[in-house]
Amino acid sequence: QQQVKQSPQSLIVQKGGISIINCAYENTAFDYFPWYQQFPGKGPALLIAIRPDVSEKKEGRFTISFNKSAKQFSLHIMDSQPGDSATYFCAASKNTGNQFYFGTGTSLTVIP
Amino acid sequence: DAEITQSPRHKITETGRQVTLACHQTWNHNNMFWYRQDLGHGLRLIHYSYGVQDTNKGEVSDGYSVSRSNTEDLPLTLESAASSQTSVYFCASSDIGNSPLHFGNGTRLTVT
Repeated sequence: QQQVKQSPQSLIVQKGGISIINCAYENTAFDYFPWYQQFPGKGPALLIAIRPDVSEKKEGRFTISFNKSAKQFSLHIMDSQPGDSATYFCAASKNTGNQFYFGTGTSLTVIP
Repeated sequence: DAEITQSPRHKITETGRQVTLACHQTWNHNNMFWYRQDLGHGLRLIHYSYGVQDTNKGEVSDGYSVSRSNTEDLPLTLESAASSQTSVYFCASSDIGNSPLHFGNGTRLTVT
């Protein structure tokens, strides 16, 4: 049973465009929602994270939008660049235990 | 700089053999995790540890074991390797509470 559902599986965006990746969860006990970025041959690295007490968090070109009532959150990459081409994972965890549940990943390709 | 080191980076083994993957972290984190990454499944938790002498099963623990004798190391052992265990394995660590995961660069294991 997938605790966090992620879509799309793959995404192709033109340079300068907006990339949007969506995730949904069921467990209302989740209270920490990070996004990880992974380049080929490397481990995932934390990109940006949000807690459910805010609806949006922005860091540079990366924004998380969070909808608590719909149990959905999304990653927006503004002005997408070829260097953003990577696999992105959303995740969720509960404060008790620090166990993370990951989405299935989105392979993003930004075309120059 | 603190880091997580996984070894070997690549391993080919035969069905039925015992295999141990090493993970060493210099973050001084109490929490350590082993994940496997497979296409279409994202990252799935195998085992985790909250401290020395503590180990717990994750969602895909069958056929795997871990031991935690010190803070820095959490080796993952495949008791009798199976072809279904061909995957990329990632070790991660985190501080206590809802803290982000820090990943190693993975071990690609092929079971023939």
